[in-house]
Amino acid sequence: GNSVTQMEGPVTLSEEAFLTINCTYTATGYPSLFWYVQYPGEGLQLLLKATKADDKGSNKGFEATYRKETTSFHLEKGSVQVSDSAVYFCALGGSQGNLIFGKGTKLSVKP
Amino acid sequence: DGGITQSPKYLFRKEGQNVTLSCEQNLNHDAMYWYRQDPGQGLRLIYYSQIVNDFQKGDIAEGYSVSREKKESFPLTVTSAQKNPTAFYLCASSMSGITEAFFGQGTRLTVV
Repeated sequence: GNSVTQMEGPVTLSEEAFLTINCTYTATGYPSLFWYVQYPGEGLQLLLKATKADDKGSNKGFEATYRKETTSFHLEKGSVQVSDSAVYFCALGGSQGNLIFGKGTKLSVKP
Repeated sequence: DGGITQSPKYLFRKEGQNVTLSCEQNLNHDAMYWYRQDPGQGLRLIYYSQIVNDFQKGDIAEGYSVSREKKESFPLTVTSAQKNPTAFYLCASSMSGITEAFFGQGTRLTVV
């Protein structure tokens, strides 16, 4: 069945460092791909999405490219801030309109 | 403001009791979902509904029940049959056929 695998955390970076969180998927067809962010004690917020191969989603300095050949959707940011500290979830669109999530990666950014 | 409202934010339940978590949306979305989040486990789908008066089981429906009598509302009941109910519960909604979902703020349920 469809599944998502993302790098385990926690990831700890210094402010202004480069961020990469790896995400790979297994799916039939070409589902939409998403990155969601969760701040402590809150629900999930959509960070970015891509709906077809080679699409690049971007928002708030974060980017991810839908790579069909490597079945990947890695999240990147050139310069992280303390306010980016959160848990990041990679997800793909399921056949029932639901989302299938990875286990999440906790990011901590130190000043 | 449009959005999804979950209540209560924190809920404590004694063993053997049923509890109901509320989820209301004013986004005019057809589809609604309940997910369970456990530490280090990501989110797992409990139940979903794509239209009023219809719903389907997700991956971990045992010990849970739902209803969808109104488009805006999708309450989740955690029954005494759920063996390990302590978790963070998230409700989401989306437009029909589109998987981009909007989430509520969650309810943290603790069994005492």
